[in-house]
Amino acid sequence: SQQGEEDPQALSIQEGENATMNCSYKTSINNLQWYRQNSGRGLVHLILIRSNEREKHSGRLRVTLDTSKKSSSLLITASRAADTASYFCATNRGSTLGRLYFGRGTQLTVWP
Amino acid sequence: GAVVSQHPSWVICKSGTSVKIECRSLDFQATTMFWYRQFPKQSLMLMATSNEGSKATYEQGVEKDKFLINHASLTLSTLTVTSAHPEDSSFYICSAPEGSASRDFSNQPQHFGDGTRLSIL
Repeated sequence: SQQGEEDPQALSIQEGENATMNCSYKTSINNLQWYRQNSGRGLVHLILIRSNEREKHSGRLRVTLDTSKKSSSLLITASRAADTASYFCATNRGSTLGRLYFGRGTQLTVWP
Repeated sequence: GAVVSQHPSWVICKSGTSVKIECRSLDFQATTMFWYRQFPKQSLMLMATSNEGSKATYEQGVEKDKFLINHASLTLSTLTVTSAHPEDSSFYICSAPEGSASRDFSNQPQHFGDGTRLSIL
């Protein structure tokens, strides 16, 4: 079953602008992960942030985690047309097998 | 980096056919793999957890006799959709957690195959 909720469901911006996507979840977590999916393809791992971390960076990506609000955000700075994809957050609730619970995703479109 | 290969990428077949989908970890051993189903513009729905050398664990509502999973080696899991019907048409994706010497994958990212588009006529 789906656990997370991303908002917005769809986001359309111009190249060079920043894109912010949010994710909320309902239960306690071990970590939260963000994935990207290009149309018709598999998912690509972007960032993993542990429950005891508040912020993490990777290139143009910045992820924050607020466990008190059970929410996370993904910021893509200086977006490019190639960033067009669906972005999903997923939470690990402590499964040692690595089982994830996925949100519904945000469809990001970046116009050149 | 770790790579998961999924094959075939696209299948069209007649109703009643059984279809096998393979998921291989190319440069790491995967004692656990996950199989998902995804409908257009929707999220991933976990179908089952594939365990090397033992039976798969199916999610509630997923028919184990319909979706047969075999994980006979540390690098290969297969999903067979038996007697497929048009309602089984979907995008199927597998994933495996990155290797861990401790076998605790809770803080490991997942590596996904590129998915299989299954269309049943």
